[in-house]
This record gives sequence, structure tokens and C-alpha cells, in this order.
Amino acid sequence: NAGVTQTPKFQVLKTGQSMTLQCAQDMNHNSMYWYRQDPGMGLRLIYYSASEGTTDKGEVPNGYNVSRLNKREFSLRLESAAPSQTSVYFCASTRAGVTDTQYFGPGTRLTVL
Amino acid sequence: QKEVEQNSGPLSVPEGAIASLNCTYSDRGSQSFFWYRQYSGKSPELIMSIYSNGDKEDGRFTAQLNKASQYVSLLIRDSQPSDSATYLCAVDNAGNMLTFGGGTRLMVKP
Repeated sequence: NAGVTQTPKFQVLKTGQSMTLQCAQDMNHNSMYWYRQDPGMGLRLIYYSASEGTTDKGEVPNGYNVSRLNKREFSLRLESAAPSQTSVYFCASTRAGVTDTQYFGPGTRLTVL
Repeated sequence: QKEVEQNSGPLSVPEGAIASLNCTYSDRGSQSFFWYRQYSGKSPELIMSIYSNGDKEDGRFTAQLNKASQYVSLLIRDSQPSDSATYLCAVDNAGNMLTFGGGTRLMVKP
């Protein structure tokens, strides 16, 4: 039982490049989330998927797209990376929405030059 | 913009003392409140959740909620050096998202 896994762990991009961050959970959870964490700013929600087949914008969705591929997997895509997207990205999942415990993946450290 | 505010710290306490961490929130409709602990370079992990006014105790941790004052706190009794971490307060926002505070860095000195 691996919990929530994320790939890659580290990534360096040049401005304008694209990439996809992968997230998978093996806990049969319904809801999945993508956050970014910048120094001193806590976690900010980018997008979430309350259930398979649905996605919604969070607090800071600009510059990102998501895909809920199936119940297990939720990917985050940066189409044209910008230095402002340098951050640590966390994926999380819950059994049933925000009243439940959120289980976080190990994070992806992304640097955009 | 719904807000969750925390003092960034660092909050420094001696080993064995009580650490008191505070959080205020702006959305009066919030119903679910959480405290997550995050060690440096690691991902957050839940330590307490609270949903109704009053106190909730779990081992050395006590969460306190006062919805009228829009205030939630976390007390850590008998603080240990291993409690040194950043503590994140999180509050539900319209029932489908969590809003996190910026976190309070706690340092427990031996």
C-alpha cells in the first residue's frame, strides 16, 4: 500500500516548456487535489476532482490544466512554464471530500528558469 | 477571498512546556477544521480534526474551536524536540475546498 505517489520528485524546466506532473493513489479515494506551496504561503489549491469524471478550479488555476484519468490517477499539466510557477507541488486525496483526512504525496520540486 | 491567518513564528518553547498555536479564519460558514504538521522537506500529515465548538483531545494534542470568535487553536503538552515542525491550520471553504494558513514554525529546545 503505497498511499499517494507523485512523479517526478524534482524537475527543472526552461520558460515556455511544458510538462505533466503525475499523481496516483491506491486507497480507493474518490477526491483528489493539486496544491502548490511557496515559502511562507502555506498550501494553495490549484485544481481538484471531487469524484472520477469531474474537475474544478481552485484558488490559483491560471497556467495549469488537469486530467482525472481514472479513479486512481490525477495529472497536472503546465502548458507553457513560467518562473512564477517555481514551487513545490503536492497531490492529495481523500475518501470523500474535504471533511475527511487529506493524504499527501511526497511532492514535486519544480524550478522554472 | 476567504482567509486563514496564522502567526508565522518561529514559536520557541523549552522541552516539556506547552506550545500554543493559534489560527483565525474569515468564513463564518466553515464547518471543518484541521491541523497538519509538516516537517522540513516533507509533506503535511494530519494530526487533529475538529468539527464542533469546544475541546478535542488526542494524546498530547488538544484542539480548541470557537466558531463565534472564528478561532481555532492547537495545544501541545509536554513538547518534545520531535514536535519541531511547521503546523498548518486548514479550514473548509464552501464545503468543497480547504484553505490553508501560512503555517506556524515551532521550535522545541532541549
